[in-house]
Amino acid sequence: SQQGEEDPQALSIQEGENATMNCSYKTSINNLQWYRQNSGRGLVHLILIRSNEREKHSGRLRVTLDTSKKSSSLLITASRAADTASYFCATARGNAGGTSYGKLTFGQGTILTVHP
Amino acid sequence: GAGVSQTPSNKVTEKGKYVELRCDPISGHTALYWYRQSLGQGPEFLIYFQGTGAADDSGLPNDRFFAVRPEGSVSTLKIQRTERGDSAMYLCASSRGSLDGYTFGSGTRLTVV
Repeated sequence: SQQGEEDPQALSIQEGENATMNCSYKTSINNLQWYRQNSGRGLVHLILIRSNEREKHSGRLRVTLDTSKKSSSLLITASRAADTASYFCATARGNAGGTSYGKLTFGQGTILTVHP
Repeated sequence: GAGVSQTPSNKVTEKGKYVELRCDPISGHTALYWYRQSLGQGPEFLIYFQGTGAADDSGLPNDRFFAVRPEGSVSTLKIQRTERGDSAMYLCASSRGSLDGYTFGSGTRLTVV
């Protein structure tokens, strides 16, 4: 298994419903980030949560982090057709100094389809 | 600039040829990253620059791949003797520091025929 595995691989919902995606990882981290990608082009940074944080909100996004279970979840509330995209979690490992190595390790992604 | 710029957006080359992919990061971003993404997969790390130096090049698959960032701004990913297996989307990203999210460019789709 790779660092940062998303679950489910694909999710199909109706507009207005909530979408929940999960991410599991293996090694200790400094922070975990979620990205969105439309149509195979560049990724867009959504939210970053640090290892000492448990929950973070940004608009309709809610991210949780459970370092004891090495897992994170991304909740999109009141989904819209425009939320249709692939969603990736990515982890940054920490170093002995308490900062992170810059390199992010990405998972395989969850393909979210929101039907109008 | 306002965003991360990658050129060309698409590149088709013949097997065995040499290619250069360019990345122009956001002004002032000291960290620059190259990733490669195959269809249906997540981005795969290639190399990371902090300023002019390669802080981590552990993701470069072999010695046909090389990247430079001579002045700490624009970076070029160079691939020698291209192979069909090199076909992928090559993504560049930059960030202000190691605790910031990345800003990605739109990528260069490389096709080796």
